[in-house]
Amino acid sequence: SQELEQSPQSLIVQEGKNLTINCTSSKTLYGLYWYKQKYGEGLIFLMMLQKGGEEKSHEKITAKLDEKKQQSSLHITASQPSHAGIYLCGALPGAGSYQLTFGKGTKLSVIP
Amino acid sequence: DAGITQSPRHKVTETGTPVTLRCHQTENHRYMYWYRQDPGHGLRLIHYSYGVKDTDKGEVSDGYSVSRSKTEDFLLTLESATSSQTSVYFCAIRPEGQPQHFGDGTRLSIL
Repeated sequence: SQELEQSPQSLIVQEGKNLTINCTSSKTLYGLYWYKQKYGEGLIFLMMLQKGGEEKSHEKITAKLDEKKQQSSLHITASQPSHAGIYLCGALPGAGSYQLTFGKGTKLSVIP
Repeated sequence: DAGITQSPRHKVTETGTPVTLRCHQTENHRYMYWYRQDPGHGLRLIHYSYGVKDTDKGEVSDGYSVSRSKTEDFLLTLESATSSQTSVYFCAIRPEGQPQHFGDGTRLSIL
């Protein structure tokens, strides 16, 4: 079965600083999803990556999928308190599959 | 708003009692999912459905059953709740060609 390892497990940064969260798969990724979760709430979809080398941005968040499609990174530029939460990566185990496997999440705290 | 409602949002019950959680969608999507989220384990798939009366097991299905008699409702049942099933439960839908959208979760405590 596919396993996703996220690093770091938790992160505390000062407002305005940049940060990166990584998601590494034990197998080739057929689709990689990034979600954000605030405490006590559901997951909010951020971005999906499918092609090796693909990069997507939304506001100050950029996600990349490496050429080998086994690692993704999520980069936040000039962090703000609104970026605080738990970031989870999810992956499809194979082509034609719709069951996501998730990493354990990275808890981000942003200090004003 | 993805049109997903989970009920109840919070529940406290005793070991050995049956518990049913409901997930309701307003948009008639085919795929629906039940996950549980626990510290140190992340989000794990319990069961999913790909149509009315069509369901399949996920990674952690033992002790859980599901039913889908209508497109809009996906029920998760714990026949005899155990303390190990204390968790936060999330329902998700998957619109065609889109990523999964999640409900706000049900916090279940089994004493």
